[in-house]
Amino acid sequence: KAGVTQTPRYLIKTRGQQVTLSCSPISGHRSVSWYQQTPGQGLQFLFEYFSETQRNKGNFPGRFSGRQFSNSRSEMNVSTLELGDSALYLCASSLRGGHSDTQYFGPGTRLTVL
Amino acid sequence: GENVEQHPSTLSVQEGDSAVIKCTYSDSASNYFPWYKQELGKRPQLIIDIRSNVGEKKDQRIAVTLNKTAKHFSLHITETQPEDSAVYFCAARLASVEKLTFGTGTRLTIIP
Repeated sequence: KAGVTQTPRYLIKTRGQQVTLSCSPISGHRSVSWYQQTPGQGLQFLFEYFSETQRNKGNFPGRFSGRQFSNSRSEMNVSTLELGDSALYLCASSLRGGHSDTQYFGPGTRLTVL
Repeated sequence: GENVEQHPSTLSVQEGDSAVIKCTYSDSASNYFPWYKQELGKRPQLIIDIRSNVGEKKDQRIAVTLNKTAKHFSLHITETQPEDSAVYFCAARLASVEKLTFGTGTRLTIIP
């Protein structure tokens, strides 16, 4: 089976712009979670989607949003970018979510905000 | 919410020796504890996990122990090799919630 894929792998944006990141889970996986990884804050949970519904949300401002499509692919959007949004954004997929299923991570999207 | 503390932040070990990384969690309702290895520029990869109904789990040179009473769990790597050099993250998850709360990571360096 193909692993979790994310596009694009690298992005450079300027403050105030918005960005959309994409995540394709492992085939058959229905849960997709998003994490932000920074040197200072480590890995922080953003949100989780299952069957096109957001089930859990972390402590991030409303500028961070997401959605999931019927094929389980997920997108994450960040509006009005700030310098502090520069980070590696990782998505992870699991089979069912919430059942101690393993989360498999994608390679991440490296976002740089100038 | 859940909070996970991880120690040490850096660890240097002679090749062939053992390495131990410790994590504590705050929410006694957490029931799933995975460990991820992240090499430079790569994605986190699950190396071992343990559920709250088990006290210890081993997979070749890697083992994890869980003490539910004290709310801490540890990663043990024996006979370390240069390819074990990486950043290791522990995590905890509450039952029925997909969110993983991660520790701050341990940078493990194996000295040849």
